Amino acid sequence: DGGITQSPKYLFRKEGQNVTLSCEQNLNHDAMYWYRQDPGQGLRLIYYSQIVNDFQKGDIAEGYSVSREKKESFPLTVTSAQKNPTAFYLCASSITGGFGANVLTFGAGSRLTVL
Amino acid sequence: SQQGEEDPQALSIQEGENATMNCSYKTSINNLQWYRQNSGRGLVHLILIRSNEREKHSGRLRVTLDTSKKSSSLLITASRAADTASYFCATDATGNTGKLIFGQGTTLQVKP
Repeated sequence: DGGITQSPKYLFRKEGQNVTLSCEQNLNHDAMYWYRQDPGQGLRLIYYSQIVNDFQKGDIAEGYSVSREKKESFPLTVTSAQKNPTAFYLCASSITGGFGANVLTFGAGSRLTVL
Repeated sequence: SQQGEEDPQALSIQEGENATMNCSYKTSINNLQWYRQNSGRGLVHLILIRSNEREKHSGRLRVTLDTSKKSSSLLITASRAADTASYFCATDATGNTGKLIFGQGTTLQVKP
Protein backbone atom coordinates (compact mmCIF):
# COMPACT_ATOMS: atom_id res chain seq x y z
CA ASP A 1 0.00 0.00 0.00
CA GLY A 2 1.25 3.48 -0.83
CA GLY A 3 1.53 5.97 1.96
CA ILE A 4 3.63 7.88 4.44
CA THR A 5 5.24 6.23 7.43
CA GLN A 6 6.29 8.26 10.43
CA SER A 7 8.33 6.84 13.28
CA PRO A 8 8.41 6.67 16.15
CA LYS A 9 4.77 7.25 17.03
CA TYR A 10 5.68 8.34 20.57
CA LEU A 11 9.01 9.76 21.68
CA PHE A 12 10.23 11.05 25.00
CA ARG A 13 13.24 13.27 25.26
CA LYS A 14 15.22 14.84 28.03
CA GLU A 15 15.91 18.53 27.83
CA GLY A 16 19.09 19.27 25.91
CA GLN A 17 18.89 16.22 23.67
CA ASN A 18 18.47 16.23 19.92
CA VAL A 19 15.94 13.83 18.44
CA THR A 20 15.24 12.81 14.87
CA LEU A 21 11.78 11.99 13.55
CA SER A 22 11.60 9.75 10.53
CA CYS A 23 9.31 10.27 7.53
CA GLU A 24 9.28 7.87 4.57
CA GLN A 25 6.91 7.89 1.59
CA ASN A 26 6.44 5.43 -1.26
CA LEU A 27 4.02 7.59 -3.25
CA ASN A 28 6.73 8.91 -5.59
CA HIS A 29 5.79 12.43 -4.49
CA ASP A 30 8.22 15.25 -5.22
CA ALA A 31 7.34 17.52 -2.30
CA MET A 32 7.46 16.79 1.42
CA TYR A 33 6.51 18.88 4.44
CA TRP A 34 6.82 18.96 8.21
CA TYR A 35 4.12 20.56 10.33
CA ARG A 36 3.84 21.05 14.04
CA GLN A 37 0.49 20.88 15.86
CA ASP A 38 -0.05 22.02 19.43
CA PRO A 39 -3.15 21.02 21.45
CA GLY A 40 -6.32 22.58 20.05
CA GLN A 41 -4.34 24.40 17.40
CA GLY A 42 -3.94 24.32 13.67
CA LEU A 43 -0.84 23.19 11.82
CA ARG A 44 2.25 25.36 11.52
CA LEU A 45 4.79 24.72 8.77
CA ILE A 46 8.32 23.95 9.92
CA TYR A 47 10.18 23.02 6.72
CA TYR A 48 9.28 21.87 3.23
CA SER A 49 11.13 20.39 0.30
CA GLN A 50 10.06 20.49 -3.32
CA ILE A 51 12.90 18.40 -4.69
CA VAL A 52 15.77 16.23 -3.53
CA ASN A 53 18.71 18.12 -2.00
CA ASP A 54 16.66 21.29 -1.59
CA PHE A 55 14.43 22.54 1.24
CA GLN A 56 13.03 25.82 2.55
CA LYS A 57 12.16 27.15 5.96
CA GLY A 58 8.54 27.43 6.91
CA ASP A 59 7.03 29.73 9.51
CA ILE A 60 8.63 28.16 12.59
CA ALA A 61 11.97 26.68 11.48
CA GLU A 62 14.05 27.88 14.44
CA GLY A 63 15.37 24.96 16.50
CA TYR A 64 14.70 22.41 13.74
CA SER A 65 16.76 20.95 10.91
CA VAL A 66 15.98 18.69 7.95
CA SER A 67 17.66 16.88 5.09
CA ARG A 68 16.40 15.57 1.75
CA GLU A 69 19.01 13.19 0.42
CA LYS A 70 16.47 10.80 -1.08
CA LYS A 71 13.12 11.43 -2.68
CA GLU A 72 11.45 9.00 -0.28
CA SER A 73 12.83 10.39 2.96
CA PHE A 74 12.57 13.71 4.82
CA PRO A 75 13.78 13.35 8.43
CA LEU A 76 13.25 16.14 10.95
CA THR A 77 15.71 16.80 13.77
CA VAL A 78 14.43 18.65 16.80
CA THR A 79 17.47 20.25 18.31
CA SER A 80 18.15 21.41 21.85
CA ALA A 81 17.74 24.97 20.55
CA GLN A 82 13.98 24.43 20.19
CA LYS A 83 12.61 26.00 23.36
CA ASN A 84 9.26 24.25 23.49
CA PRO A 85 9.48 21.03 21.49
CA THR A 86 6.61 19.10 23.08
CA ALA A 87 4.07 18.77 20.27
CA PHE A 88 2.50 16.53 17.64
CA TYR A 89 4.57 16.44 14.46
CA LEU A 90 3.02 15.67 11.11
CA CYS A 91 4.82 14.81 7.90
CA ALA A 92 3.08 15.19 4.55
CA SER A 93 3.82 14.85 0.87
CA SER A 94 2.34 16.02 -2.41
CA ILE A 95 2.88 15.22 -6.06
CA THR A 96 4.22 18.68 -6.69
CA GLY A 97 5.19 21.49 -4.41
CA GLY A 98 4.95 24.12 -7.08
CA PHE A 99 2.02 26.09 -8.38
CA GLY A 100 -1.07 24.03 -8.81
CA ALA A 101 -3.31 21.84 -6.73
CA ASN A 102 -0.97 20.34 -4.17
CA VAL A 103 -3.15 17.97 -2.22
CA LEU A 104 -1.31 16.70 0.84
CA THR A 105 -1.13 13.12 2.04
CA PHE A 106 -0.30 12.94 5.74
CA GLY A 107 1.43 10.42 7.93
CA ALA A 108 -0.07 9.30 11.25
CA GLY A 109 2.09 11.70 13.24
CA SER A 110 4.78 11.52 15.92
CA ARG A 111 4.09 12.78 19.43
CA LEU A 112 7.19 14.21 21.11
CA THR A 113 7.24 14.84 24.84
CA VAL A 114 10.12 16.57 26.58
CA LEU A 115 10.60 15.42 30.15
CA SER B 1 1.53 33.06 9.81
CA GLN B 2 -1.94 31.58 9.95
CA GLN B 3 -3.86 32.34 6.79
CA GLY B 4 -7.20 30.85 7.73
CA GLU B 5 -9.47 31.42 10.66
CA GLU B 6 -12.30 29.03 11.29
CA ASP B 7 -15.63 29.51 12.91
CA PRO B 8 -16.99 28.09 15.11
CA GLN B 9 -14.10 26.62 17.08
CA ALA B 10 -16.37 23.86 18.34
CA LEU B 11 -19.72 22.51 17.18
CA SER B 12 -21.96 19.89 18.76
CA ILE B 13 -24.97 18.50 16.91
CA GLN B 14 -27.26 15.47 16.85
CA GLU B 15 -26.96 12.71 14.31
CA GLY B 16 -28.95 13.52 11.19
CA GLU B 17 -28.50 17.28 11.51
CA ASN B 18 -26.37 19.36 9.15
CA ALA B 19 -23.05 20.86 10.24
CA THR B 20 -21.67 24.08 8.78
CA MET B 21 -18.15 25.32 9.31
CA ASN B 22 -16.70 28.57 8.02
CA CYS B 23 -13.21 29.63 7.05
CA SER B 24 -11.89 33.11 6.38
CA TYR B 25 -8.53 33.95 4.85
CA LYS B 26 -6.49 37.05 4.16
CA THR B 27 -4.76 36.91 0.78
CA SER B 28 -5.57 35.87 -2.77
CA ILE B 29 -5.50 32.14 -3.28
CA ASN B 30 -5.06 29.51 -5.99
CA ASN B 31 -7.29 27.06 -4.19
CA LEU B 32 -8.73 26.21 -0.80
CA GLN B 33 -8.86 22.72 0.67
CA TRP B 34 -10.65 21.07 3.56
CA TYR B 35 -9.09 18.33 5.65
CA ARG B 36 -10.38 16.12 8.44
CA GLN B 37 -8.45 14.92 11.48
CA ASN B 38 -9.58 12.21 13.86
CA SER B 39 -8.20 12.59 17.36
CA GLY B 40 -4.48 11.86 17.53
CA ARG B 41 -4.23 10.98 13.85
CA GLY B 42 -2.96 12.54 10.64
CA LEU B 43 -5.11 14.69 8.40
CA VAL B 44 -7.11 13.35 5.48
CA HIS B 45 -7.94 15.44 2.42
CA LEU B 46 -11.68 15.91 1.84
CA ILE B 47 -12.19 18.34 -0.99
CA LEU B 48 -10.47 21.09 -3.00
CA ILE B 49 -12.09 24.13 -4.55
CA ARG B 50 -10.25 26.35 -7.00
CA SER B 51 -10.36 30.13 -6.95
CA ASN B 52 -12.54 30.23 -10.08
CA GLU B 53 -15.13 27.86 -8.60
CA ARG B 54 -18.00 28.90 -6.35
CA GLU B 55 -19.39 25.57 -5.17
CA LYS B 56 -18.35 21.95 -5.13
CA HIS B 57 -19.94 18.73 -3.92
CA SER B 58 -18.55 15.41 -2.83
CA GLY B 59 -20.98 12.91 -1.34
CA ARG B 60 -22.47 14.54 1.78
CA LEU B 61 -19.99 17.42 1.59
CA ARG B 62 -20.72 20.79 0.03
CA VAL B 63 -18.09 23.49 -0.14
CA THR B 64 -18.62 27.09 -1.19
CA LEU B 65 -16.05 29.75 -1.91
CA ASP B 66 -16.56 33.51 -2.00
CA THR B 67 -13.32 35.13 -3.12
CA SER B 68 -14.76 38.64 -2.77
CA LYS B 69 -15.32 38.00 0.95
CA LYS B 70 -12.27 35.74 1.24
CA SER B 71 -14.34 33.04 2.88
CA SER B 72 -15.38 29.42 2.44
CA SER B 73 -17.87 27.14 4.11
CA LEU B 74 -18.04 23.38 4.52
CA LEU B 75 -21.46 21.81 4.93
CA ILE B 76 -21.82 18.20 6.05
CA THR B 77 -25.36 17.01 5.49
CA ALA B 78 -27.14 14.28 7.44
CA SER B 79 -24.26 13.96 9.88
CA ARG B 80 -23.26 10.68 11.48
CA ALA B 81 -21.44 9.89 14.72
CA ALA B 82 -18.48 8.83 12.56
CA ASP B 83 -18.19 12.44 11.32
CA THR B 84 -16.92 13.43 14.78
CA ALA B 85 -13.49 14.95 14.11
CA SER B 86 -11.66 18.23 13.64
CA TYR B 87 -11.98 19.96 10.28
CA PHE B 88 -9.36 22.30 8.88
CA CYS B 89 -9.31 24.62 5.92
CA ALA B 90 -6.03 25.16 4.12
CA THR B 91 -5.18 27.81 1.57
CA ASP B 92 -2.72 27.74 -1.27
CA ALA B 93 -1.91 31.43 -1.62
CA THR B 94 -1.38 33.03 -5.02
CA GLY B 95 2.28 33.53 -5.76
CA ASN B 96 3.23 31.07 -3.07
CA THR B 97 5.45 28.12 -3.75
CA GLY B 98 2.66 25.66 -3.21
CA LYS B 99 2.83 25.32 0.53
CA LEU B 100 -0.50 25.18 2.33
CA ILE B 101 -1.39 27.36 5.30
CA PHE B 102 -3.86 25.82 7.72
CA GLY B 103 -6.55 27.36 9.85
CA GLN B 104 -7.11 26.64 13.56
CA GLY B 105 -9.80 24.10 12.87
CA THR B 106 -13.37 23.38 13.96
CA THR B 107 -13.99 20.49 16.32
CA LEU B 108 -17.23 18.74 15.44
CA GLN B 109 -19.02 16.39 17.79
CA VAL B 110 -21.96 14.42 16.42
CA LYS B 111 -24.04 12.83 19.15
CA PRO B 112 -25.78 9.53 18.37
